Amino acid sequence: GAVVSQHPSRVICKSGTSVKIECRSLDFQATTMFWYRQFPKQSLMLMATSNEGSKATYEQGVEKDKFLINHASLTLSTLTVTSAHPEDSSFYICSARDIALKETQYFGPGTRLLVL
Amino acid sequence: KQEVTQIPAALSVPEGENLVLNCSFTDSAIYNLQWFRQDPGKGLTSLLLIQSSQREQTSGRLNASLDKSSGRSTLYIAASQPGDSATYLCAVTKGGSEKLVFGKGTKLTVNP
Repeated sequence: GAVVSQHPSRVICKSGTSVKIECRSLDFQATTMFWYRQFPKQSLMLMATSNEGSKATYEQGVEKDKFLINHASLTLSTLTVTSAHPEDSSFYICSARDIALKETQYFGPGTRLLVL
Repeated sequence: KQEVTQIPAALSVPEGENLVLNCSFTDSAIYNLQWFRQDPGKGLTSLLLIQSSQREQTSGRLNASLDKSSGRSTLYIAASQPGDSATYLCAVTKGGSEKLVFGKGTKLTVNP
């Protein structure tokens, strides 16, 4: 089946630093990838939609200058949390939509970010 | 604004029991509804996808139903096993949009 990987799986950083999270579709091409954030005991909340070759579309309330998204190829999207603060500590999950299977999103294993 | 609610928030059952998880959504104009499974600290695995025109979908011991007009869906798990222990998430999409709106999930524990 389709596999989506994320790297790193967990990261601890100091407040004020930037952290990059990679999302890769391993065996399929994805024109669209999605980035979600999940706080403890809360729903997954869509942060942004990443389209290959164009600018990402951000959800209301998500700062585009703080959460930089780059969808450089059909198999890779990156999320950079700039100047991270403790309130950015969360579980970040990406998903990728297979070009051939329009309704199906495959989810990555998630990245646990802890900002000290 | 679409809101998805899942009841109960947590459920603990003995092995072998049949169980039902509930999902409700406020805007009935959905395109489809999906049930996912999430293991602790892990990503999501899609279990069942029901199109808005469908009433139910089945996969093995899982059966999901959809009553679009009333804004409800149920996930029925037959003969539960300890390996079914996980958080089950319900999510809907709206026509013309790929965005998934998730509920908070039901944490299921199946005791041996």
